[in-house]
Amino acid sequence: GENVEQHPSTLSVQEGDSAVIKCTYSDSASNYFPWYKQELGKGPQLIIDIRSNVGEKKDQRIAVTLNKTAKHFSLHITETQPEDSAVYFCAASNDYKLSFGAGTTVTVRA
Amino acid sequence: EAQVTQNPRYLITVTGKKLTVTCSQNMNHEYMSWYRQDPGLGLRQIYYSMNVEVTDKGDVPEGYKVSRKEKRNFPLILESPSPNQTSLYFCASSFAGGPYEQYFGPGTRLTVT
Repeated sequence: GENVEQHPSTLSVQEGDSAVIKCTYSDSASNYFPWYKQELGKGPQLIIDIRSNVGEKKDQRIAVTLNKTAKHFSLHITETQPEDSAVYFCAASNDYKLSFGAGTTVTVRA
Repeated sequence: EAQVTQNPRYLITVTGKKLTVTCSQNMNHEYMSWYRQDPGLGLRQIYYSMNVEVTDKGDVPEGYKVSRKEKRNFPLILESPSPNQTSLYFCASSFAGGPYEQYFGPGTRLTVT
């Protein structure tokens, strides 16, 4: 089955700086790569996603890049704010199944 | 309001006592799925359903059952719960017949003693 690895497990950044989270996947058939944000006591919420026919996607301060050859994808958050503090999960799907990384706890220091 | 609801939100039970966690969505979504979340392991998919009467195993289906008799409901059944099923459970749904742009429920915290 699919194996998704996510790094780092924790990330502390100064407010206003950028944060980068990296993921790798094992199944070359995977074609959908979402990123979820989970706040304490809540369910995960989709923040951005990318399909395998696209190399990069941006939505305001958030961007995702995908390298299919190397089987890795990354989340970039620019100009971090205190409300960006949360746990972030990457995931990979091959149409029906969805496999998640272990998560990254992001703390934005004021 | 578009949402995924789960009940109960918290449950403490004993080994072997059958239980059902309900999941309902009001968005007419085709795809629904169950996940469990454990510290350090992220979320792992238990079962998913592409549409009514169509279900399939995820990565960790052992000890669980599901059914999809109606489009809006996707209950998770633990026929003989064991302590290793103590976890935080999430139901999710999406419009398309796959896990695209999923909406997650608020979670069910299950403790099996």
